[in-house]
Amino acid sequence: DAGVIQSPRHEVTEMGQEVTLRCKPISGHNSLFWYRQTMMRGLELLIYFNNNVPIDDSGMPEDRFSAKMPNASFSTLKIQPSEPRDSAVYFCASSRDYSPLHFGNGTRLTVT
Amino acid sequence: GQQLNQSPQSMFIQEGEDVSMNCTSSSIFNTWLWYKQDPGEGPVLLIALYKAGELTSNGRLTAQFGTTRKDSFLNISASIPSDVGIYFCAGPSINTGTASKLTFGTGTRLQVTL
Repeated sequence: DAGVIQSPRHEVTEMGQEVTLRCKPISGHNSLFWYRQTMMRGLELLIYFNNNVPIDDSGMPEDRFSAKMPNASFSTLKIQPSEPRDSAVYFCASSRDYSPLHFGNGTRLTVT
Repeated sequence: GQQLNQSPQSMFIQEGEDVSMNCTSSSIFNTWLWYKQDPGEGPVLLIALYKAGELTSNGRLTAQFGTTRKDSFLNISASIPSDVGIYFCAGPSINTGTASKLTFGTGTRLQVTL
């Protein structure tokens, strides 16, 4: 079984640029989650979707962050404009109904 | 908001030693999960606990769901070098209505020396 697939694995960009992170959940999973991991704050939930509908985006730090899930097999997390403090590892995870989360290998974002 | 505190924050042990770590919450959880994160990878589920007092094993790993529902414990027996990584506890609040919206603990970083 293919796991959660994230792209790119690494992204380096300059402050002010738009960044788009991509995620393909495990086939058959109906919930998708975006997490951010930093040394200071650990793993933080940004937003999650159930059946492609955003359920809780209270963790999205600012209006510069947006997420979409146009279909069951694809989601994006966009940061526009990016800032150095957005540098982190961003994880996508998926689950089916109430099963535990399965994580992708993350996108390491560096904003200079 | 909910907080999950893990201790110890880090451990340096010798290969072959047993390891114990714990996780405490400020509120009740109805599910406890333990994940391990290897460098450069996402967290991987090790053990899931669904009932207070439950004791579950996965190979050399054993985890327990505390009877107060506010804590959980993870033990690793006879550690080996590949046990190196960060161990996270996680759980959903009893009030979230879904078992999948997780709060993660602060992590325990394990180093194993030969």
